[in-house]
Amino acid sequence: SAVISQKPSRDICQRGTSLTIQCQVDSQVTMMFWYRQQPGQSLTLIATANQGSEATYESGFVIDKFPISRPNLTFSTLTVSNLSPEDSSIYLCSVEEGLVVRNEQFFGPGTRLTVL
Amino acid sequence: DQQVKQNSPSLSVQEGRISILNCDYTNSMFDYFLWYKKYPAEGPTFLISISSIKDKNEDGRFTVFLNKSAKHLSLHIVPSQPGDSAVYFCAASVDSGGGADGLTFGKGTHLIIQP
Repeated sequence: SAVISQKPSRDICQRGTSLTIQCQVDSQVTMMFWYRQQPGQSLTLIATANQGSEATYESGFVIDKFPISRPNLTFSTLTVSNLSPEDSSIYLCSVEEGLVVRNEQFFGPGTRLTVL
Repeated sequence: DQQVKQNSPSLSVQEGRISILNCDYTNSMFDYFLWYKKYPAEGPTFLISISSIKDKNEDGRFTVFLNKSAKHLSLHIVPSQPGDSAVYFCAASVDSGGGADGLTFGKGTHLIIQP
């Protein structure tokens, strides 16, 4: 299975600033996903990032707030902009291996963001 | 509106006994279901999955059962071991025909295995 790393593992930020989270995969994958887990809540899909095209955002998430880059098949970044305390969450990236058969998604360790 | 529901926030089971974690869903378009296990400060780890064309899938100590008519699935762990203590997430996806899809998760059940 793919090995996924995220940087930073955690950060404390001031409101109004931005944080960029990096996701690195040890193999090439077509699709990468970004999720958010707010305290006491389930994981919620933010967007799907396909290399070479614009990310696809889920309802309630917009590109201005969560810009995503996907420069190649092993790397992606998620920026959380104009931070507010409500953005305090764990942010996770995941990848799905395989194209023909539905496969499970593999997750990174997550980035714990605290906004003061 | 939660499309995937795990109604038990926590479950305590004695070591060696069977653990049964339940999950209900409301979206009849879901056609693929997964269970993930999560330890603190780690990302979710895939455990087992099942397609909607099946009603059972088994992998070692883990078995997932799917009841489509009831929109219900369950994860059975037998025998339960101390290392099974973790939060378990149920997840589902829709085959949109376009390839990889994001997952819809439940809120999780914290399983505690007591010695």
